[in-house]
Amino acid sequence: QKEVEQNSGPLSVPEGAIASLNCTYSDRGSQSFFWYRQYSGKSPELIMFIYSNGDKEDGRFTAQLNKASQYVSLLIRDSQPSDSATYLCACSDNYGQNFVFGPGTRLSVLP
Amino acid sequence: GAVVSQHPSWVICKSGTSVKIECRSLDFQATTMFWYRQFPKQSLMLMATSNEGSKATYEQGVEKDKFLINHASLTLSTLTVTSAHPEDSSFYICSANNRDSGNTIYFGEGSWLTVV
Repeated sequence: QKEVEQNSGPLSVPEGAIASLNCTYSDRGSQSFFWYRQYSGKSPELIMFIYSNGDKEDGRFTAQLNKASQYVSLLIRDSQPSDSATYLCACSDNYGQNFVFGPGTRLSVLP
Repeated sequence: GAVVSQHPSWVICKSGTSVKIECRSLDFQATTMFWYRQFPKQSLMLMATSNEGSKATYEQGVEKDKFLINHASLTLSTLTVTSAHPEDSSFYICSANNRDSGNTIYFGEGSWLTVV
C-alpha cells in the first residue's frame, strides 16, 4: 500500500526561525510532490509543487526533493505566527493517479 | 491558481433528510474529483473518487448508497448525504485534478454539515 509519512508534530519554532517539515513516501513510482497548508477549520490550499530532484524556491518557501531517498521537505524561512497551520505532503504519479496525502504536520510559530 | 468552488459552506439538516453538496471547477475541466471528510483535529479521509461520466470509486468502509456521488459534467460533481444522521456531521471537502497544471489537486472551500 502506498504511504506518505509525516511527523504529526506539533513542531514549534520561534518567530523568524526556519521551519523544516519532512515527508517520506513509499511508492517509487511517485513523480509529483505537493505541499498544502491547512488552517484549522479550513480546507487545504496549495503552497507549491515539485517534480525534479533538488530545491525549488517560492518566496519564503523552499521545497526539496530527493527521489533516491524518497524524501520531500518544505522549508519556511522567517517563520511568522500566521504560518501556524497543518502542512500536508502529497504525492502522485505522472497521470495524477494514486494521489496520496500524508497525515500532516502541525506547525506552531511562537511570537 | 485554479479555482474550485464548493457550495454550501454551511448546512444544517434534520436527521433522516438528505443534503447535497456541490463541487465546481471554475476555470478548468476536471475529469476526476475527490471527496474527503474530516473530523475536528483529524486527517483528511478520502471517501471516494468521482470520475466524469462513470461511477464513483468508493474507499473501503464508505457506504455508496449513503453517500451518493454524481459527476455529470467536467466541471461539476455532487455529493448527496442520504438519510443523514448526527454521526454524519463533519467537514466535507472536495478537490479536483487539473490536468492542465501538472495534475495538481486543488481543493474547494469545504462544507460544514451539522445534522440535528
